[in-house]
Amino acid sequence: DTGVSQDPRHKITKRGQNVTFRCDPISEHNRLYWYRQTLGQGPEFLTYFQNEAQLEKSRLLSDRFSAERPKGSFSTLEIQRTEQGDSAMYLCASSSRDYRRQETQYFGPGTRLLVL
Amino acid sequence: AQSVTQLDSQVPVFEEAPVELRCNYSSSVSVYLFWYVQYPNQGLQLLLKYLSGSTLVKGINGFEAEFNKSQTSFHLRKPSVHISDTAEYFCAVSDRGNRDDKIIFGKGTRLHILP
Repeated sequence: DTGVSQDPRHKITKRGQNVTFRCDPISEHNRLYWYRQTLGQGPEFLTYFQNEAQLEKSRLLSDRFSAERPKGSFSTLEIQRTEQGDSAMYLCASSSRDYRRQETQYFGPGTRLLVL
Repeated sequence: AQSVTQLDSQVPVFEEAPVELRCNYSSSVSVYLFWYVQYPNQGLQLLLKYLSGSTLVKGINGFEAEFNKSQTSFHLRKPSVHISDTAEYFCAVSDRGNRDDKIIFGKGTRLHILP
């Protein structure tokens, strides 16, 4: 078990450019979450997947954001036409969910985005 | 809607002294409670969690927390801190009855260990 990995760890881009982040969850975890953390704040929920299905999106996720999880394994988060307000740490987490109870979410190291 | 309040944004404490990081939550439903730690430039690591049962929960690195339903609190404690405990600590809550397991985090408390 190598843990949750995210790529890249850091991204600097110019306003208006598109960026894409990748998250590889712990193998066989069926749940995958995206959170955003801005400076001085705790992480905020963005969206989550159960296998390949995206089941919920936060109102924080504007139309410029899109997430996918093809085949229920890795996930990508794309931001189109980036704005300076998108600068944040983007965290991915995965868990193994069954019908009984909540399981621990394991977090990756995050991708820190800076939009100039 | 649920929310989490971490009463202290920063807590300085001398090495080997005890520490308590305070957390209060508000929710109209039953909840699960968590404490996560974030070391500089790293992701979040689970310290401990309360799901049910004993209200005193023991976690990793010598930390423990006590769930107090009447006071809606879940304070984190450690009897003797080490310089390696320097990090940001997040209290979090999740709706027990909601299958999305979405976690609501507090704003964090930065623990400064003084030599």
